[in-house]
Amino acid sequence: DQQVKQNSPSLSVQEGRISILNCDYTNSMFDYFLWYKKYPAEGPTFLISISSIKDKNEDGRFTVFLNKSAKHLSLHIVPSQPGDSAVYFCAASGSSNYKLTFGKGTLLTVNP
Amino acid sequence: GAGVSQSPSNKVTEKGKDVELRCDPISGHTALYWYRQSLGQGLEFLIYFQGNSAPDKSGLPSDRFSAERTGGSVSTLTIQRTQQEDSAVYLCASSLDPPGTSGNTDTQYFGPGTRLTVL
Repeated sequence: DQQVKQNSPSLSVQEGRISILNCDYTNSMFDYFLWYKKYPAEGPTFLISISSIKDKNEDGRFTVFLNKSAKHLSLHIVPSQPGDSAVYFCAASGSSNYKLTFGKGTLLTVNP
Repeated sequence: GAGVSQSPSNKVTEKGKDVELRCDPISGHTALYWYRQSLGQGLEFLIYFQGNSAPDKSGLPSDRFSAERTGGSVSTLTIQRTQQEDSAVYLCASSLDPPGTSGNTDTQYFGPGTRLTVL
């Protein structure tokens, strides 16, 4: 039973355009959401997070949107750069549960 | 400063052997986590250590798996009598503060992982 789903295993975009990575969750107890980025042979690196009390959080080129009613969040990267090419993991946790539940990841390729 | 380190980076073992995986968290981090990522899957929580409290072992998949954290720092994940389904990347993470702490001091920082292959 996958509680965090990233339905697109891969995404390819042109440099300078917007990348939109999607994530759906099923557990209504989740109230904290994170995105991690992973390069080959490295551990995941924290990118951005959002609490369920917000619907948007922005950090430079990265913005995360949360739609609680749809149990959906998305990560927008604009403008996309070739160095953004990596696997992006969506993760979620509940306020009383520190365990992060991860999606399977989406491989983003930004073409020069 | 130094990040989370793990050793070995790769381990190939024969079915039935025991293996030990090591994690050195970021200095001063009180919380330590182990995850594993099997091929084509997301990260799966295994175990959580917080200070001197009893660890949460609820994610360990079987009693062949155990972990300890000595002196509140280095942690070792031990898999006894390895099976082929144990093949995965084992990731360790640490955070400065326990989860739920305000601000971002509970952000988990991951090591590069140990790729375990059981033949």
